[in-house]
Amino acid sequence: EDKVVQSPLSLVVHEGDTVTLNCSYEVTNFRSLLWYKQEKKAPTFLFMLTSSGIEKKSGRLSSILDKKELFSILNITATQTGDSAIYLCAVENAGNMLTFGGGTRLMVKP
Amino acid sequence: DAGITQSPRHKVTETGTPVTLRCHQTENHRYMYWYRQDPGHGLRLIHYSYGVKDTDKGEVSDGYSVSRSKTEDFLLTLESATSSQTSVYFCAISGERDRAYEQYFGPGTRLTVT
Repeated sequence: EDKVVQSPLSLVVHEGDTVTLNCSYEVTNFRSLLWYKQEKKAPTFLFMLTSSGIEKKSGRLSSILDKKELFSILNITATQTGDSAIYLCAVENAGNMLTFGGGTRLMVKP
Repeated sequence: DAGITQSPRHKVTETGTPVTLRCHQTENHRYMYWYRQDPGHGLRLIHYSYGVKDTDKGEVSDGYSVSRSKTEDFLLTLESATSSQTSVYFCAISGERDRAYEQYFGPGTRLTVT
C-alpha cells in the first residue's frame, strides 16, 4: 500500500520567514511526486518532481526530491500572508493513481 | 480554471438515506475521479472513471457507487449514508491517463450525515 507522510502537521510563522515542509513516502513503482496548495477550496497544482536532485522553482517556492531517501521538501522563502494554506504532497504510481499525504497547514501572520 | 462544477455544494442528510453527488465538466476530459478529504488523511480516492460506463474502485470505495453515462457527468452515490461518510468530497478531471499530475479539482461538496 502506498503511503505518504507530511510534517509538520501545522506551522505558524511571521511574514518574511522561510519555511520548509517535508514529505516522505513509500510507493510501489514510483512515477512522480506532486505538491499542491489548498486554500479555502480545491487544491491547485504547484510542482511535479520525477528526478532526484533537480530543484523545481516558482517564484518564492522551490522543491526538491530525493528518490534514494524517499522524501521531498517544499521551501517557501520570504513568506507572505497569502501563503497561508494547506500544502499537500502526493505520489503517483505507475498506474497513474495519486496517494496524498495528510497535509501541512501553514499560517503566516503579518 | 478548468470547467468543473460540483452539486450540491453543501448537504446535510440523515443516516440511512441515499445521497447522490454530481460532478460536471465542460473540458471533455476522459478521466474523472472522486476523492474524500478528512482531517489528517489528505485526499483519498473513492472511485474513478476512464470513460463512459468505465469505472473502477479506489482506496476507500466501500459504501459508495458511481456512474458515468455521459462524458461530462460523474455521479457518486451513497446508497445508505452513514456518519463516517461525513466529509468533503472533491471531484477531479484529467485529460490523459499518463498525466495524472494534471488533475484539476472541483470546488468540493461538504456532506454532513447526522
